Amino acid sequence: GAGVSQSPSNKVTEKGKDVELRCDPISGHTALYWYRQSLGQGLEFLIYFQGNSAPDKSGLPSDRFSAERTGGSVSTLTIQRTQQEDSAVYLCASSYEVGKLFFGSGTQLSVL
Amino acid sequence: GENVEQHPSTLSVQEGDSAVIKCTYSDSASNYFPWYKQELGKGPQLIIDIRSNVGEKKDQRIAVTLNKTAKHFSLHITETQPEDSAVYFCAASWNSGTYKYIFGTGTRLKVLA
Repeated sequence: GAGVSQSPSNKVTEKGKDVELRCDPISGHTALYWYRQSLGQGLEFLIYFQGNSAPDKSGLPSDRFSAERTGGSVSTLTIQRTQQEDSAVYLCASSYEVGKLFFGSGTQLSVL
Repeated sequence: GENVEQHPSTLSVQEGDSAVIKCTYSDSASNYFPWYKQELGKGPQLIIDIRSNVGEKKDQRIAVTLNKTAKHFSLHITETQPEDSAVYFCAASWNSGTYKYIFGTGTRLKVLA
């Protein structure tokens, strides 16, 4: 595909369940970011992957959040034991050039 | 810590008028300032960017200005059209080992026909 692909587009889960969100970056992009966007809020940085370097996890809000990027391409963001405050849009972005982020359409997560 | 403030949070203009959105940043090491447009149900899309060695950049109806001394930068949209209605985010970034961005809280622009 031509753009960053995220799946699912919508996810409804019950409090306490685990969820996995997937991101397929643009082919050839070495950098991959995860952001969280709460209703009416800005973009909150979660985690950053660059090539084979150790990821920058400084934005992950708790140890219930984790992410991995396999083979330098697809990334999965996992939230364990979901809480209602985890409800938000989770955005993935990739970049091949410093400064130009390409975002996916996001996954709307609703925790009931 | 690093911070980006964005104003106003909402902005309504008549079609054809100009719109200005302003951001200030706290870290003087910031050297790259992109602007993103987010339409409903979509991810943000880069519309224009400026680097710290430039004071102004223009692309058709959109322009961005940067004042490094005051640590603020602005987005200017001229001859606004209904399709300009969206949420606009500014961001500041710097190279601190990883390329990290700090985003503003967004401005909801409504262009009234």
